[in-house]
Amino acid sequence: DQQVKQNSPSLSVQEGRISILNCDYTNSMFDYFLWYKKYPAEGPTFLISISSIKDKNEDGRFTVFLNKSAKHLSLHIVPSQPGDSAVYFCAATLTGANNLFFGTGTRLTVIP
Amino acid sequence: DAMVIQNPRYQVTQFGKPVTLSCSQTLNHNVMYWYQQKSSQAPKLLFHYYDKDFNNEADTPDNFQSRRPNTSFCFLDIRSPGLGDAAMYLCATSSPHRGSQPQHFGDGTRLSIL
Repeated sequence: DQQVKQNSPSLSVQEGRISILNCDYTNSMFDYFLWYKKYPAEGPTFLISISSIKDKNEDGRFTVFLNKSAKHLSLHIVPSQPGDSAVYFCAATLTGANNLFFGTGTRLTVIP
Repeated sequence: DAMVIQNPRYQVTQFGKPVTLSCSQTLNHNVMYWYQQKSSQAPKLLFHYYDKDFNNEADTPDNFQSRRPNTSFCFLDIRSPGLGDAAMYLCATSSPHRGSQPQHFGDGTRLSIL
């Protein structure tokens, strides 16, 4: 049973516009959420995270929003750049646990 | 740069022939993980070591074993690979002693079964 879901397998955005990637989870015990970025032939690279005590975390062009009541988080990339083209994985865990639950990923294509 | 290194990047083995994948880290993290990722699927945790303590996921097949001889190295042994074991295998590390911390991944080993 997939506890973390990314329902959009792909997303295309024009350069300079906003990219919004979405993620839903089912386990209300999750309290730490992460986004990873993956280029072809490379491992996932940590991008940004958020703790459940916050509803927003920002790092440069990347902002993650958490809506605990809806069990939903999103990653906003503004402005999108061609180098942002990659697969983005959402992941969730419980503090103190050692396993991450991943979504299936969303392939973002930023069109120049 | 501190990093997680996986060798080899590509591994081809024959059906039923044992294979070992390796992972090393210079981050001095106490937890090391092995994930299996098949095409268009989420990475799936196979097992992890918290220091020397081995933790197996309930649905990890017995065909998969792991060894961690020291802090820096961790190995994934597949005793009798089947066609269904063809996948990307990802190693990751973390240091949970400092609270919630992201896992750091290597670039993976892509395993093909002939």
